Amino acid sequence: NAGVTQTPKFRVLKTGQSMTLLCAQDMNHEYMYWYRQDPGMGLRLIHYSVGEGTTAKGEVPDGYNVSRLKKQNFLLGLESAAPSQTSVYFCASGTQHSNQPQHFGDGTRLSIL
Amino acid sequence: AQSVTQPDIHITVSEGASLELRCNYSYGATPYLFWYVQSPGQGLQLLLKYFSGDTLVQGIKGFEAEFKRSQSSFNLRKPSVHWSDAAEYFCAVGLRWGSNYKLTFGKGTLLTVNP
Repeated sequence: NAGVTQTPKFRVLKTGQSMTLLCAQDMNHEYMYWYRQDPGMGLRLIHYSVGEGTTAKGEVPDGYNVSRLKKQNFLLGLESAAPSQTSVYFCASGTQHSNQPQHFGDGTRLSIL
Repeated sequence: AQSVTQPDIHITVSEGASLELRCNYSYGATPYLFWYVQSPGQGLQLLLKYFSGDTLVQGIKGFEAEFKRSQSSFNLRKPSVHWSDAAEYFCAVGLRWGSNYKLTFGKGTLLTVNP
């Protein structure tokens, strides 16, 4: 099925380790987003991209980096993982006319020990 | 700064009963308003949105929401709840942010449906 695919679905890291979360969409959407979801907090925007080769900071960008080298992929990197980054991460995509993220992936559950 | 409040953390209704989930926002102008639903282990799905015009908005799965400017509210309703509606529901406010829109999400309302 078409949509947003996130890999991996689960991951456990030790403090200080690095990793990259991958998001892929096959709907030719211009906009892509990374959110984190924490209990009782709703979703908070980490970074977003309005097109290939462009990225921008969201509400909570510290400790994360992103890249959009190809239109269909949006990577979220943690250079030095911290326990505060334990969360569920959601990628989303949307068109430039939609005014909001339209399709969400199923999430990546990340635990930092 | 804009904010979204969902006063009810958890609501339980019986199958077939009516449902109303509350959402209040704080924003200077008329915002763009959204409701999303999240089933366990899945991402969010857009139920409906309000940009302008008719203040009663119809969405998917039989849901509707009404924008009331005087009350700064955008409550979600469904006349008869089905067991499959059990999920977490998020209200969001959209603010234009550069060339895009930044959504501020409420903290969610968990809906339990009793048989």
